[in-house]
Amino acid sequence: ETGVTQSPTHLIKTRGQQVTLRCSSQSGHNTVSWYQQALGQGPQFIFQYYREEENGRGNFPPRFSGLQFPNYSSELNVNALELDDSALYLCASSFGIKETQYFGPGTRLLVL
Amino acid sequence: QKEVEQDPGPLSVPEGAIVSLNCTYSNSAFQYFMWYRQYSRKGPELLMYTYSSGNKEDGRFTAQVDKSSKYISLFIRDSQPSDSATYLCAMVYNQGGKLIFGQGTELSVKP
Repeated sequence: ETGVTQSPTHLIKTRGQQVTLRCSSQSGHNTVSWYQQALGQGPQFIFQYYREEENGRGNFPPRFSGLQFPNYSSELNVNALELDDSALYLCASSFGIKETQYFGPGTRLLVL
Repeated sequence: QKEVEQDPGPLSVPEGAIVSLNCTYSNSAFQYFMWYRQYSRKGPELLMYTYSSGNKEDGRFTAQVDKSSKYISLFIRDSQPSDSATYLCAMVYNQGGKLIFGQGTELSVKP
C-alpha cells in the first residue's frame, strides 16, 4: 500500500509568482486536506476536498486555491506569492471526512 | 487566545526517562484528540488517537484525556534517542474536517 506522496519536495519562488503543489492520496482514500506549517509552529488548516468538492476552508485568502481530481489526487495553487508564504505545505488523506488523517512528507516552499 | 495551547519546549531528557507532554484547549466542542510525531523535515506521523476521557496505552506510549479540565497528555516511558522529535497534539470537532494543532513540543532524548 502506497502512502501519501507530495511533489516537489522543495521549491524556491520569488515574490509575486504562482506555485502549484501536488499530492497523491493513500490508496482507497477519498478525502484530502492541506495544511501550512510555518517554522516552529503547528500546521494550520487551509482547506479540505472530499470527492472533488471543497469541504471546509481555513482562514486563508482566496489566492490559495485547490482542486481534487477523479482519482482523488489534489493540487494546491498559490497566486501572488508573498514572503510569509514560505513554509512546509502538508497534504493529508483520509477515508472520509471524519476519519484519521495521514500526512505526506510535505513540500518546503521558500519565497524570496 | 489560541484554541490549543502547547508548550513549545525544547524539552531535554536522559535516555530511559519518563516524558510528559501536555496540551490544553479552550473549546469543549472538541471530541477527538490525537498525538502526532514529526521528525525534522518530515511530515507528521500519527501516534495516538482517542475520543473519550481516560487513558489509552500503546506500547511505551500512553495518551490521557481529561475533558472536564480540557487537558490532554502524552506519556512516553523508557524514552529512547529515537524518540527525539517534535510532538504535536491535534483536535477535531465532532463534525470532522480540519485538525486544530498545538504549536508542537520539541523533545530531545540524550543517550
